[in-house]
Amino acid sequence: GDSVTQMEGPVTLSEEAFLTINCTYTATGYPSLFWYVQYPGEGLQLLLKATKADDKGSNKGFEATYRKETTSFHLEKGSVQVSDSAVYFCAMIIQGAQKLVFGQGTRLTINP
Amino acid sequence: DTEVTQTPKHLVMGMTNKKSLKCEQHMGHRAMYWYKQKAKKPPELMFVYSYEKLSINESVPSRFSPECPNSSLLNLHLHALQPEDSALYLCASSRLADYNEQFFGPGTRLTVL
Repeated sequence: GDSVTQMEGPVTLSEEAFLTINCTYTATGYPSLFWYVQYPGEGLQLLLKATKADDKGSNKGFEATYRKETTSFHLEKGSVQVSDSAVYFCAMIIQGAQKLVFGQGTRLTINP
Repeated sequence: DTEVTQTPKHLVMGMTNKKSLKCEQHMGHRAMYWYKQKAKKPPELMFVYSYEKLSINESVPSRFSPECPNSSLLNLHLHALQPEDSALYLCASSRLADYNEQFFGPGTRLTVL
């Protein structure tokens, strides 16, 4: 079946460190891929997306590249800030489907 | 206007109460969704409306009753809930139901006593 697997958290980093959160997917069809971020006490915000192989999504210094050969969509940021502390969800939707499939979420804490 | 709004932000209700959650979007989106999110878990899909018609019900108990009065509004009517129904209820919308990114509201934090 369709599924998304994220690296287990929690992840704790110091400010200005490099961030990678791994995400891989298993899809029966052709997916679009997303990263959502959820700050404490809030809803989900769409962080970035990619709709076809080799697309790179980027926003607020975060990047992720759609790698069809490795079925991956890893989230990266070169220099994290305390304000990036949140839960990050990798998600996909299969063409023709109506349902977002989420990973389990990765809690990120950035210390000053 | 590029946001999804939800009211109320917080709701406390007893098991015999009837209450409603409301969601609104003015982005011209034709698909709207209800999700339930428990602590430290991803959102779980409950219902999908496409062009104001219910297209997906993820086997949700009948004590949750969705309604889509028009393309901008989505309600979730609650009746005879259980304490285990306490959660964050998220509304989302997308341009179309098929293959489009979804935009989420801030959620309603529901506590059932």
